[in-house]
Amino acid sequence: DSGVTQTPKHLITATGQRVTLRCSPRSGDLSVYWYQQSLDQGLQFLIQYYNGEERAKGNILERFSAQQFPDLHSELNLSSLELGDSALYFCASSTGTSEYTGELFFGEGSRLTVL
Amino acid sequence: AQTVTQSQPEMSVQEAETVTLSCTYDTSESDYYLFWYKQPPSRQMILVIRQEAYKQQNATENRFSVNFQKAAKSFSLKISDSQLGDAAMYFCAYRSARAGNMLTFGGGTRLMVKP
Repeated sequence: DSGVTQTPKHLITATGQRVTLRCSPRSGDLSVYWYQQSLDQGLQFLIQYYNGEERAKGNILERFSAQQFPDLHSELNLSSLELGDSALYFCASSTGTSEYTGELFFGEGSRLTVL
Repeated sequence: AQTVTQSQPEMSVQEAETVTLSCTYDTSESDYYLFWYKQPPSRQMILVIRQEAYKQQNATENRFSVNFQKAAKSFSLKISDSQLGDAAMYFCAYRSARAGNMLTFGGGTRLMVKP
């Protein structure tokens, strides 16, 4: 158990809908990262937050947004969903020490299926 | 932009034997970190081993070791005495020492272990 909690584990929705994925980082971790894992694109970095502020942005679509709240949990909002958004969405966290070692602690992911 | 390539989509090994997974990367930087992550059927990403680019000595973690060739930009993972529990997807990942903790992943290698 990495200590990173993601909900929901599975989600099925229709095209055009909006969903919110939630992540609780390990206790004490200030950084949260979101990754998308799909069959054709592999593991893609979406966005990183550090202590409530956006720190780095990857290949995140404009239809997607994220935020990190004062209690450090994060939410990834996916809107106007398309079939191609079906993927496994990972949240990961890191703390001060692992900022220098690079280790990220991953949650179990949220499996999104868009029908 | 950095890229990470894993040229072996699938590998198989007999239980108790040794297998080597390949990874190459492309970067113009001199200071960075390399990782191997394991993703079992449970989906969670687990750190297997880490290598700092400034260290010449290859990292070792129990049955797992790496062959880091900085000039060749190669970072292979050797698994000795393979066990059934080693069956998983293995991802090679790169992190720049300058770019915070964003990881760039390779496409993955599926390892099958035959009893």
